Amino acid sequence: KQEVTQIPAALSVPEGENLVLNCSFTDSAIYNLQWFRQDPGKGLTSLLLIQSSQREQTSGRLNASLDKSSGRSTLYIAASQPGDSATYLCASNSGGSNYKLTFGKGTLLTVNP
Amino acid sequence: GAVVSQHPSWVICKSGTSVKIECRSLDFQATTMFWYRQFPKQSLMLMATSNEGSKATYEQGVEKDKFLINHASLTLSTLTVTSAHPEDSSFYICSARVQAYYGYTFGSGTRLTVV
Repeated sequence: KQEVTQIPAALSVPEGENLVLNCSFTDSAIYNLQWFRQDPGKGLTSLLLIQSSQREQTSGRLNASLDKSSGRSTLYIAASQPGDSATYLCASNSGGSNYKLTFGKGTLLTVNP
Repeated sequence: GAVVSQHPSWVICKSGTSVKIECRSLDFQATTMFWYRQFPKQSLMLMATSNEGSKATYEQGVEKDKFLINHASLTLSTLTVTSAHPEDSSFYICSARVQAYYGYTFGSGTRLTVV
C-alpha cells in the first residue's frame, strides 16, 4: 500500500526566501505525481504534474522534481510571497484501473511580509 | 480548461435530513469522479470512486447506504448524505480525472454542518 509523507508539516519563512517542500513515497511504481495547493476552506488547485518518465516540471516560480528510484519529490518555490501562504499537498498516482491518488498530509506554508 | 464546479460551497442542515452535493465538469467529460472527505487539519480521505453509468466503488469503512453517489452523465456526479448526523459534518471535495494528461482537477469543496 502506497504511503506518502510530507516534510516539514509546517514552515514559516520571510518574504523573498527560496524554499523547498519535500514529499516521499514508499512505492516507486507510480504513474505520475501531482502537487496541489489548498487555501483554507477551499478545494485543491493543481500546481504541477510530473509524469513517471519526467524528472522535473516548472511553472513560473515553482519547480517540482521527481526521483522515482529514491521515492522522492520536491517542490521548490523561488522568491516566496505572502500570497504563497497555503497548504501544499503532494499526491502519487499509482495507475491501475481507477488511477487513485494517495495524498500526503501536506505542508502548511506561511510567508511573512 | 478542465474545471469542476461544485455546489453548494456550504450548507447547514438539521439532523436526520438529507443533503445533496453536485459536481459538474464544465469543459470536459469526466468518466470517473472521486469523492473525498477532509477533517480539519487533515489530508483528504477518499470515500468513493464513481464511474459514469455504473455503481460507485466505496472505500473500506464508508457506508454506501449513507453516502449515495450517482454518476448518471459524463458531466455530473452527485453525493447525497442521507439522514445526516453531526458527525457527518466535514468538508467534502470532488475530483475528476482529466483524460488528456491523466492528472486530476478538484472542485472547490462543500462545507457541511449538521446541527
